[in-house]
Amino acid sequence: DARVTQTPRHKVTEMGQEVTMRCQPILGHNTVFWYRQTMMQGLELLAYFRNRAPLDDSGMPKDRFSAEMPDATLATLKIQPSEPRDSAVYFCASGLVRDGALHADTQYFGPGTRLTVL
Amino acid sequence: AQKVTQAQTEISVVEKEDVTLDCVYETRDTTYYLFWYKQPPSGELVFLIRRNSFDEQNEISGRYSWNFQKSTSSFNFTITASQVVDSAVYFCALSEAGAQGGSEKLVFGKGTKLTVNP
Repeated sequence: DARVTQTPRHKVTEMGQEVTMRCQPILGHNTVFWYRQTMMQGLELLAYFRNRAPLDDSGMPKDRFSAEMPDATLATLKIQPSEPRDSAVYFCASGLVRDGALHADTQYFGPGTRLTVL
Repeated sequence: AQKVTQAQTEISVVEKEDVTLDCVYETRDTTYYLFWYKQPPSGELVFLIRRNSFDEQNEISGRYSWNFQKSTSSFNFTITASQVVDSAVYFCALSEAGAQGGSEKLVFGKGTKLTVNP
C-alpha cells in the first residue's frame, strides 16, 4: 500500500530556530506539493514541483521558507528562522501527471507535520 | 480566480440519518477537476473522489454519493445512513487543468465538520 511519508510527525521548536520537514512521495509520482493548514487560513498551497523542478512557490514566504527536491524520493521544506506564526500542520502530497494526460491524477497526502513554534 | 465555498461550517446528525454537504465553486477554466477529501480526527487527509468538468454523471460508492451540476457550479456530497465513523471534516477542492491537462494545485474550501452522534 503506497503512501506518502513525512517526518517528523511533530516538531516543537523555539522562535528563531531552523526547521526542516521531509517528505517521501509515492514511488513513481512526479509531482510533489506542500500545503499548510491553519485554523485561520485553512489549507493553502505553499509550493509544488514537477519532475523535481519548482513550478510554483508563490504561496511561500520567500524570506524564510525554502523548498527543494534533492532527488525524486525526497522533498524538503525548510523554515529559517522560524516564527510563532509558522505554527501549523504542513502536508506533503504527491501525484502523477502523465505527458499528454487529459485527466487529472489524484493528489495523495501524507500524515502531516504538526509544527509548534514557541 | 478560483474559489470553493462550503457554506456549512458544522453539521450534527444522529446515526442513520442522511446528510448532504454542499460545495459551490468558481472558476473561469473550462477544464477543471473537483475533489472531496475527508479529514478524520487523526488529522490525515483521505481522498474520496475526483471528477473532471466534462463528466457530470453522478457517482455512488457504497453509502457515499456525489451530485455534480455545472449549471449551478455545485458538487455536493451525500452520506446515506450516516455512521459515527463518518465524523470528520470534509473538504471540497478544485484544481485547474494545468499545462499538460493534469491536476495542478488544489484550492480548498474551508471544510464542513460533520458530527454523527450515536
